[in-house]
Amino acid sequence: NAGVTQTPKFRVLKTGQSMTLLCAQDMNHEYMYWYRQDPGMGLRLIHYSVGEGTTAKGEVPDGYNVSRLKKQNFLLGLESAAPSQTSVYFCASRMDRVGNTIYFGEGSWLTVV
Amino acid sequence: AQKITQTQPGMFVQEKEAVTLDCTYDTSDPSYGLFWYKQPSSGEMIFLIYQGSYDQQNATEGRYSLNFQKARKSANLVISASQLGDSAMYFCAMRDRKTGNQFYFGTGTSLTVIP
Repeated sequence: NAGVTQTPKFRVLKTGQSMTLLCAQDMNHEYMYWYRQDPGMGLRLIHYSVGEGTTAKGEVPDGYNVSRLKKQNFLLGLESAAPSQTSVYFCASRMDRVGNTIYFGEGSWLTVV
Repeated sequence: AQKITQTQPGMFVQEKEAVTLDCTYDTSDPSYGLFWYKQPSSGEMIFLIYQGSYDQQNATEGRYSLNFQKARKSANLVISASQLGDSAMYFCAMRDRKTGNQFYFGTGTSLTVIP
């Protein structure tokens, strides 16, 4: 009953370090998303993918890169972490363009000091 | 421009009472979908209810109903018979045909159920 799984759940980074968040879904969904959640800002879309090998920018893509080499995985990379990237990151997936429901992972808490 | 607006940062409701959480949206596309999610303190996002723009009836799922007023562009969530476990953040979201692949979320409403 996995659904959408994010790793790691918690991470503390120093400014300038790099890291990758992994999102895995076992529902054979085409669409995958990375959001960040900040107090008073709701969820903001960073990047998304409409299928294996594709990626696109969302509302707040700067400072992040993504890759979708396999359909089930969507990776979010921070090349040089900044304190402004301290946030909770959510991965989500959706079946396809017609599918209405978006399924979320449990979130990854990232602190950049 | 803000696509989803939730004007209530925090709400309180007495246990067993009903509560309405407000949501207004902005789109020029006649085809769109509206969603509500619950985020408890544990952090996960839980899908509650969906309303399509062409649906004639208001959506209902157990104690949740969506008061859809198309002309006013509002999609309020009504929770009946509140329970202590309903205390959480609630997010309204929208997807329209123009944005297609993207879901837009509001800033959320924090609901506290008082025993």
